[in-house]
Amino acid sequence: GNSVTQMEGPVTLSEEAFLTINCTYTATGYPSLFWYVQYPGEGLQLLLKATKADDKGSNKGFEATYRKETTSFHLEKGSVQVSDSAVYFCALSRAGGTSYGKLTFGQGTILTVHP
Amino acid sequence: DSGVTQTPKHLITATGQRVTLRCSPRSGDLSVYWYQQSLDQGLQFLIQYYNGEERAKGNILERFSAQQFPDLHSELNLSSLELGDSALYFCASSPNTRANRGSGANVLTFGAGSRLTVL
Repeated sequence: GNSVTQMEGPVTLSEEAFLTINCTYTATGYPSLFWYVQYPGEGLQLLLKATKADDKGSNKGFEATYRKETTSFHLEKGSVQVSDSAVYFCALSRAGGTSYGKLTFGQGTILTVHP
Repeated sequence: DSGVTQTPKHLITATGQRVTLRCSPRSGDLSVYWYQQSLDQGLQFLIQYYNGEERAKGNILERFSAQQFPDLHSELNLSSLELGDSALYFCASSPNTRANRGSGANVLTFGAGSRLTVL
């Protein structure tokens, strides 16, 4: 079946540090890949997405590239801010079939950024 | 505000009881998904409805049931509650129309969640 594996957290960084959160996936076919973010006390918000190999999703300074050869979708940001502190979820959606659109999530990575 | 409305935000109840969680999807979205988030299990997919019909089932217990009504709102019914059912329950919606299938444009929008505490 489909699955997503994220690097274990928590991740603690100082402001302006470089961020990488690793994500690898297992899926049949050509899934779409997503990063969602959950701020404290809130629901999940879409951060970025990519729908085919070599696509780069980007938003708010975050980037991730769909790498089919390594089945990865690592999240990066060049300079994190305190306001980026949140839980980050990598997810995939399998194209087609009767369950189209259902997201399979990784376990989430807690990011804390200190001033 | 994501456009997906969940009620109640918080619910405290006792073991053995039954509760109903409600979700109103974003205007125009036809699909509704229910997820359970707990510390030990992470985010688990429960069930999906599309335009009133059940479309996919995940790790949903037999004590749990859901439905989507003609106005597209959905309810998740949890019965014979156990301590382990304490969790955040999220609803999400998406367009999931024939036009955007396969394009990756079928993005899920999540509500703020309903936190259930079973004592």
